[in-house]
Amino acid sequence: EMRLLESGGGLVQPGGSLRLSCAASGFTFGSWAMSWVRQTPGKGLEWVSSISGSAGSTSSADSVRGRFTVSRDNSRNTLYLQMNSLRVDDTAVYYCAKNFYDNRLAFHIWGQGTKVTVSS
Amino acid sequence: DIQMTQSPSTLSASVGDRVTITCRASQSISSWLAWYQQKPGKAPKFLIYKASTLVSGVPSRFSGSGSGTEFTLTISSLQPDDFATYYCQQYHSYSTFGQGTKLESK
Repeated sequence: EMRLLESGGGLVQPGGSLRLSCAASGFTFGSWAMSWVRQTPGKGLEWVSSISGSAGSTSSADSVRGRFTVSRDNSRNTLYLQMNSLRVDDTAVYYCAKNFYDNRLAFHIWGQGTKVTVSS
Repeated sequence: DIQMTQSPSTLSASVGDRVTITCRASQSISSWLAWYQQKPGKAPKFLIYKASTLVSGVPSRFSGSGSGTEFTLTISSLQPDDFATYYCQQYHSYSTFGQGTKLESK
């Protein structure tokens, strides 16, 4: 069974940093593009960042570009999201997801999510 | 950016009903559309891709149709497990989700 398990969420002050992790199992991790998607009650679901299977290509939403960095360690079957210069409006549940396609952003398998709260 | 608009925002229905949710894109997305189901406290579940192709294991009472800018998700005979929030998502250009349609019991 394919599974994703996020960790690393928590409470952080505005301007702070946080690193999320996502441990994958049940599939050949390095063969699949992966993504982060976040959800808030106000803005709904929002794609954040994606990375190719080889880690050779990444992309990010305008709202996080320059502040968030997606990376992966295929030897550890783990996806990461380094979040810097956090803002109050980054508060959300963050999901990691296995992409359905190599080059399009549809999301096949989702983790259970990890909550990030940015507040002073 | 491509905007996705779902209607209605809330839909009240009974077990056995046929229900339809509509999703409109602000520009043509060909058939690059997915549908997801989400229950409270859970992650979204991938139901349909390429506008009309069911993900493996999804019951056949679910169907999707449309292309270009107008799409529909239909549940042919509503079951108790189907009460949830449904989201459309375009993946023609990066990714954008609709605001969701909450399907509730009448």
